Amino acid sequence: GAVVSQHPSRVICKSGTSVKIECRSLDFQATTMFWYRQFPKQSLMLMATSNEGSKATYEQGVEKDKFLINHASLTLSTLTVTSAHPEDSSFYICSASDGPNYEQYFGPGTRLTVT
Amino acid sequence: AQKVTQAQTEISVVEKEDVTLDCVYETRDTTYYLFWYKQPPSGELVFLIRRNSFDEQNEISGRYSWNFQKSTSSFNFTITASQVVDSAVYFCALGANFGNEKLTFGTGTRLTIIP
Repeated sequence: GAVVSQHPSRVICKSGTSVKIECRSLDFQATTMFWYRQFPKQSLMLMATSNEGSKATYEQGVEKDKFLINHASLTLSTLTVTSAHPEDSSFYICSASDGPNYEQYFGPGTRLTVT
Repeated sequence: AQKVTQAQTEISVVEKEDVTLDCVYETRDTTYYLFWYKQPPSGELVFLIRRNSFDEQNEISGRYSWNFQKSTSSFNFTITASQVVDSAVYFCALGANFGNEKLTFGTGTRLTIIP
């Protein structure tokens, strides 16, 4: 099956700093990538949808200036959490799709801890 | 708006017992897709099944079976002869399209299999 990787798998950063999370489709071209956030013992909530070469579409309540998403190529999307705060600590999961008739493939997730 | 309800927050069963995880969904779309994912403690989502709205046939895969009933908007998941390795959080999800539409996740059911 298709493989999606995320890097880093875990990151700890200090409050006020920015952290970048990468999501890569390893063996297919991802026209669409999704970023989800999962707080402890809660469900996955979609943050944004990004299509290659265009601006991301953010879900209601997600600050686009705080969570910068870039989908510059068909195999890479990045999520940058700017000026991170402890409340941003969460599990971030990306998924990738290679078209309207194909399923989404999920990455292994990135656990962010902001101290 | 789409909504997925997993009323069972936590379930514990003794090993070898059968267990059914409930999923009820709401959507106005005539074409949609339903999914089940397993999330072990490692956090990575494991895809279990995808079912489109036109296919109401029940499916069996080894110890897993799924019962899709459009009349009651339910897509229940049964594990027979449960094993300790089945312990995880299970999510039911709903999508409007196969790959390039966001998924709406239920709140998940934490399943614990007691040895």
